[in-house]
Amino acid sequence: QKEVEQDPGPLSVPEGAIVSLNCTYSNSAFQYFMWYRQYSRKGPELLMYTYSSGNKEDGRFTAQVDKSSKYISLFIRDSQPSDSATYLCVLRQSGSARQLTFGSGTQLTVLP
Amino acid sequence: NAGVMQNPRHLVRRRGQEARLRCSPMKGHSHVYWYRQLPEEGLKFMVYLQKENIIDESGMPKERFSAEFPKEGPSILRIQQVVRGDSAAYFCASSPYRDGKAYEQYFGPGTRLTVT
Repeated sequence: QKEVEQDPGPLSVPEGAIVSLNCTYSNSAFQYFMWYRQYSRKGPELLMYTYSSGNKEDGRFTAQVDKSSKYISLFIRDSQPSDSATYLCVLRQSGSARQLTFGSGTQLTVLP
Repeated sequence: NAGVMQNPRHLVRRRGQEARLRCSPMKGHSHVYWYRQLPEEGLKFMVYLQKENIIDESGMPKERFSAEFPKEGPSILRIQQVVRGDSAAYFCASSPYRDGKAYEQYFGPGTRLTVT
């Protein structure tokens, strides 16, 4: 079983739609939760970073973490064609471990 | 404020040659991480360094791979005697470190290594 499970998609939505991206994880040692966006042949770009259960909002993006269910989500409101990319859920354990553990990524296409 | 810089962006090597990948962290960042993204796979951690010190190399293959972050200059990921299976995108990330805490990691554009 993978440490982080993420639906690979691809996911295709019309412009303006609300997008929901999800991940589950199995190891309760994960305490830091991030979403990165990766455009084709580019490096991952940090979108959201949180370490507590609940919601964190930044513009059109909302990250949701439920540690009890080991479930994390990213919501994108009013999606735009420029949001078309691969979205990576990324986790890090607490303590001295600094390495990031990546989900496989969900490929999103927003159609104009 | 320049981001994480990696060079070269593309590198082609024949089997058996050496590959050297360079990474300059963001200004003010003292910690560097290397990740590898194999075709059709997610990013996998390789090594974590600070200046003149390897902190965690648990993700590095046991042979042919080495990394350093000297006091002066960029971090280097070195792959000796490359094989076709080394073909991948190699990403470097950096993070600031303050008050005993490492913060979020910022990624460079990657180096795409092709072994022919």
